[in-house]
Amino acid sequence: SQQGEEDPQALSIQEGENATMNCSYKTSINNLQWYRQNSGRGLVHLILIRSNEREKHSGRLRVTLDTSKKSSSLLITASRAADTASYFCNAPSGGSYIPTFGRGTSLIVHP
Amino acid sequence: DGGITQSPKYLFRKEGQNVTLSCEQNLNHDAMYWYRQDPGQGLRLIYYSQIVNDFQKGDIAEGYSVSREKKESFPLTVTSAQKNPTAFYLCASMGLSQETQYFGPGTRLLVL
Repeated sequence: SQQGEEDPQALSIQEGENATMNCSYKTSINNLQWYRQNSGRGLVHLILIRSNEREKHSGRLRVTLDTSKKSSSLLITASRAADTASYFCNAPSGGSYIPTFGRGTSLIVHP
Repeated sequence: DGGITQSPKYLFRKEGQNVTLSCEQNLNHDAMYWYRQDPGQGLRLIYYSQIVNDFQKGDIAEGYSVSREKKESFPLTVTSAQKNPTAFYLCASMGLSQETQYFGPGTRLLVL
């Protein structure tokens, strides 16, 4: 079973708006990672937040982590058309962790 | 440049034919993975290897085979037993820290 399920499945916004997507997981984690996949390409690591952190920023990206709710949010501020992609989360839980992925959130940013 | 490469970018398979997808990494990572992605879907794990000369089946291993004779290389063979092989195949690797997976650019397999 996968450790990390994204919501919503699809998100459509206008350029300049903020985009928020969520990730839920089931067991305690070491860290939580967000990845982006442009159409027809491999996944690219965006940002990692450790289990003892609550918020992290990287450029226009803001990630929050709520371990009590076993959830994380990825906020992309001032979205651009180039942000159009699928976004996936992954949440290693220690030990012999085998990374599996959900369906991701498909984000479309209209110019 | 350190990274992970996959070849070819596109691969065509005739019915009944076995084809092999290449995956190479120079990141000195112990763990390597193969995923299959169908249109509009997430990634499904085919096989993974956490150390040289050892590999394990993932969720959808039937019709596929792998080898891990070298740390840098983890080729995937799509056998004739895989009746629906048309998909996008992604290879990834990860170090012991389990902090970041590095993905290759993918191979798109099409059936003639």
